[in-house]
Amino acid sequence: SQQGEEDPQALSIQEGENATMNCSYKTSINNLQWYRQNSGRGLVHLILIRSNEREKHSGRLRVTLDTSKKSSSLLITASRAADTASYFCATIPYGNNRLAFGKGNQVVVIP
Amino acid sequence: DGGITQSPKYLFRKEGQNVTLSCEQNLNHDAMYWYRQDPGQGLRLIYYSQIVNDFQKGDIAEGYSVSREKKESFPLTVTSAQKNPTAFYLCASTGTGSPYEQYFGPGTRLTVT
Repeated sequence: SQQGEEDPQALSIQEGENATMNCSYKTSINNLQWYRQNSGRGLVHLILIRSNEREKHSGRLRVTLDTSKKSSSLLITASRAADTASYFCATIPYGNNRLAFGKGNQVVVIP
Repeated sequence: DGGITQSPKYLFRKEGQNVTLSCEQNLNHDAMYWYRQDPGQGLRLIYYSQIVNDFQKGDIAEGYSVSREKKESFPLTVTSAQKNPTAFYLCASTGTGSPYEQYFGPGTRLTVT
């Protein structure tokens, strides 16, 4: 069953702006990950945040995790045209070793 | 370069035919996964294998079969029993060093008419 569930939005922004997308999940988790998928390609792992972490940074990416609200957000700062992609969150529930993916957020960065 | 390869990139089949999708990895990863992706949806797990000669059904295994005779290879057969096989199929693997991060292949787009 799906755990991660992104806000089902398509986001269109200008280059240089920030992009924020959200993800909610239903049960307790071990960790939460974000992946990027360019059109017609495989997924690429971006960042993993553990259940005992609240915020994590990687380059222009900032991920937050609120386990009390069972939600996470991914912020991409100073977006570039190359950031145009779909972004998926995925969770590993406690007692499980299988990733459950959300439906993805499509982000279009206009040059 | 280490990675996962899937072939072919595009595959066309007639209804009623079985078709096998290839997935090979040279990352020395123990676990491998097959997902199906439909437009506007996330990935759904078909089968996964944590070691050679062992595999488990995922959430949507009906109409699919797999084998894991070698660590490097995890082929997926889409059988004629799969009612709606047209989709984008993704193979992934994980290693013991980073057991949660999945590495994905480029995918195979299967069209059945």
